[in-house]
Amino acid sequence: NAGVTQTPKFRILKIGQSMTLQCTQDMNHNYMYWYRQDPGMGLKLIYYSVGAGITDKGEVPNGYNVSRSTTEDFPLRLELAAPSQTSVYFCASSLIPTGNTEAFFGQGTRLTVV
Amino acid sequence: AQTVTQSQPEMSVQEAETVTLSCTYDTSESDYYLFWYKQPPSRQMILVIRQEAYKQQNATENRFSVNFQKAAKSFSLKISDSQLGDAAMYFCAFLNYDTGNQFYFGTGTSLTVIP
Repeated sequence: NAGVTQTPKFRILKIGQSMTLQCTQDMNHNYMYWYRQDPGMGLKLIYYSVGAGITDKGEVPNGYNVSRSTTEDFPLRLELAAPSQTSVYFCASSLIPTGNTEAFFGQGTRLTVV
Repeated sequence: AQTVTQSQPEMSVQEAETVTLSCTYDTSESDYYLFWYKQPPSRQMILVIRQEAYKQQNATENRFSVNFQKAAKSFSLKISDSQLGDAAMYFCAFLNYDTGNQFYFGTGTSLTVIP
């Protein structure tokens, strides 16, 4: 099982450039999430999706966009990259809550905006 | 929004000793889940242990156990017989599906294991 796969693992962007972080999961999970991790700040939710065609903002959505056209894929789009978007980005997925629920994470993408 | 607080940015423990990491949370819900995730230098987030709020019994997974105090909204992680491989960042997390099935994370505790 591949689980949650994120690409790329590392990326350097120039200010004003755009890019898409790819995320795909093969566990047929309903829920998918994008988090950013900054030192000393934990993980902050950017966007999440409860199923194909449904997305919603998290705590820090400004400067980002998402789409969920399939159950498997949940790409994160950065438009007009800014230095404040330098961070480590994690995609995660989960089933609806049950006794064994948990979030499964991708390996993360380290993004630097210069 | 729910809040999760980890008041210990850094902790250290001697190898083979026991260490407890603290976590408190704030919610008005009665049904929810709590988790501890480990993040080693590889960046991979690994589930250590989970607790369902409606279960009074504290969860255990081998050397890892929790002290869940629902009334106090406290969820500490105890690591027994600490090993060098336990060195990592540990995150406490909260999940309540009534609020969109969002996982809320604390700011993390960096654990150092001293040989």
